[in-house]
Amino acid sequence: QQQVKQSPQSLIVQKGGISIINCAYENTAFDYFPWYQQFPGKGPALLIAIRPDVSEKKEGRFTISFNKSAKQFSSHIMDSQPGDSATYFCAATNSGYALNFGKGTSLLVTP
Amino acid sequence: NAGVTQTPKFRVLKTGQSMTLLCAQDMNHEYMYWYRQDPGMGLRLIHYSVGEGTTAKGEVPDGYNVSRLKKQNFLLGLESAAPSQTSVYFCASSYRNPGTDTQYFGPGTRLTVL
Repeated sequence: QQQVKQSPQSLIVQKGGISIINCAYENTAFDYFPWYQQFPGKGPALLIAIRPDVSEKKEGRFTISFNKSAKQFSSHIMDSQPGDSATYFCAATNSGYALNFGKGTSLLVTP
Repeated sequence: NAGVTQTPKFRVLKTGQSMTLLCAQDMNHEYMYWYRQDPGMGLRLIHYSVGEGTTAKGEVPDGYNVSRLKKQNFLLGLESAAPSQTSVYFCASSYRNPGTDTQYFGPGTRLTVL
């Protein structure tokens, strides 16, 4: 079954707005939560990642927030730009052999 | 460094045909992976390898086989292709487990099975 649940499936945001993507998980052994960005025709690329000992991590316009008690984490893209239009995947792992990916969110930022 | 490369980029097969997808990495990574990506399904792990000569099943291994004879290469084989295997296939690699090191993806292979 899907170990990481991601929402929404698609998102349309105006230029300058905030894009918010949410993810939830059940396995409390997960200890690493990366976000990947994928442009059409390309492979996914790591954008930012967080561990449970940190509640928030910021890199430029991208922020991840982590709520350990709720078993949820979310990404915020501030001042969204048309160049941010891509598919975003959240993922989780317990430092095991592989990542468990969410189903992805297709983001479109309109001019 | 070329990173992770995949061959071929596109392929069309007829049902029942076989083919091999090649993944190569030049980063001296121990871990390598094969994923498939289908619309609305995200990335699903097919097989993975934690070192030369080792392979293991992932979430959706049926209908696929893999080999890792050399550290830098990870091959994905389809012995008898089926329309359900129409997908985009991504190879990835990491130096150690993905909870420790970044997983790098290749550009993908788009496979259509008629």
